[in-house]
Amino acid sequence: DAKTTQPPSMDCAEGRAANLPCNHSTISGNEYVYWYRQIHSQGPQYIIHGLKNNETNEMASLIITEDRKSSTLILPHATLRDTAVYYCIVNAGNNRKLIWGLGTSLAVNP
Amino acid sequence: GAVVSQHPSWVICKSGTSVKIECRSLDFQATTMFWYRQFPKQSLMLMATSNEGSKATYEQGVEKDKFLINHASLTLSTLTVTSAHPEDSSFYICSARVTSIYEQYFGPGTRLTVT
Repeated sequence: DAKTTQPPSMDCAEGRAANLPCNHSTISGNEYVYWYRQIHSQGPQYIIHGLKNNETNEMASLIITEDRKSSTLILPHATLRDTAVYYCIVNAGNNRKLIWGLGTSLAVNP
Repeated sequence: GAVVSQHPSWVICKSGTSVKIECRSLDFQATTMFWYRQFPKQSLMLMATSNEGSKATYEQGVEKDKFLINHASLTLSTLTVTSAHPEDSSFYICSARVTSIYEQYFGPGTRLTVT
């Protein structure tokens, strides 16, 4: 599976958009980009995933560059409850193993 | 939908004893379940993958005789930590996946402390 690179930490003001970047320059054509988050002392929560088109759901938007070497997770109106570690994972859909890095620790400040 | 539960949420046991952790998919049938371990300030480490009705596949370095996994039904998997030692103290998390769906759904985790 391709490796991902994320900044270790980010800050965001409450109510503003949080844009979390992820680099995955070695991504293969059949690999999806997944985003999960983990609030302190809880299990991870699935957020969104995409292959090459931008995706949006009730939680977030996922923007994938045309060359697919990077992506950005957007939380449009961050709240204090969005404070968590966000993980970007690249994985082929039929590969059940997710390889977890250290993610980005997002702090949403009042 | 897609709720996964774990029981217990936390457990304290004495060194040398065994502890069983249950993972249940409450509103869907999980063809595959995963067990992870997470130490403080570290990321999740996959321990094993189990498919219903078959033996679990353990990751390199994970002792299968120490961490017994049973996936007896499409809604239940159990992890038994046998002869627990203080170094087994960790946050254990399970997840479940349906074959036709790419995302995994995670349980809330079980905090194990071995004294």
